[in-house]
Amino acid sequence: DSGVTQTPKHLITATGQRVTLRCSPRSGDLSVYWYQQSLDQGLQFLIQYYNGEERAKGNILERFSAQQFPDLHSELNLSSLELGDSALYFCASSVAHTNSPLHFGNGTRLTVT
Amino acid sequence: GEDVEQSLFLSVREGDSSVINCTYTDSSSTYLYWYKQEPGAGLQLLTYIFSNMDMKQDQRLTVLLNKKDKHLSLRIADTQTGDSAIYFCAETLWGGSQGNLIFGKGTKLSVKP
Repeated sequence: DSGVTQTPKHLITATGQRVTLRCSPRSGDLSVYWYQQSLDQGLQFLIQYYNGEERAKGNILERFSAQQFPDLHSELNLSSLELGDSALYFCASSVAHTNSPLHFGNGTRLTVT
Repeated sequence: GEDVEQSLFLSVREGDSSVINCTYTDSSSTYLYWYKQEPGAGLQLLTYIFSNMDMKQDQRLTVLLNKKDKHLSLRIADTQTGDSAIYFCAETLWGGSQGNLIFGKGTKLSVKP
């Protein structure tokens, strides 16, 4: 058990809808990362937060947004969903903002129908 | 640019050694990581090596780093059926202000009894 908790485990929704994925980092970790894993694209970095502030942005679509709250949990919001957004979404956390190992949650599997 | 390459598949017999290879392109990488992903699970951190090291051993796992050739390998001794999984190589960047990892596409290890 990595100590990173993601909810829900599975989500099925229709195109055009909006969903929120939630992540609680390991105790003591200040950085949270979101990744998308799909068969064709592999693991794609979306965004990083450190102690409540956005730290880095990767291949995150404008329809997606995230935030990290004062208690350090994070939410990833996906809106105007398309079939191609179906994927496994991982949250990871690390103690520092750089040069520290990432610990991953078990992911949220999103299916858009 | 940043790119991490791995072969996609490896098949070995139980009890043999497995060697999973990875090449990376960014010469400024500091830490290189190996993660394991079992079906339906998140990414589990196996081990990591700092780029000023040549080798790191941890029980059945041996990591070798050839910095000149930008080549990283993971050797699993006495491979068991429970080692069947996808193994990801990842790098982070020196001096970066952010901590996200660049992942390879993963090597699927199949262990035959």
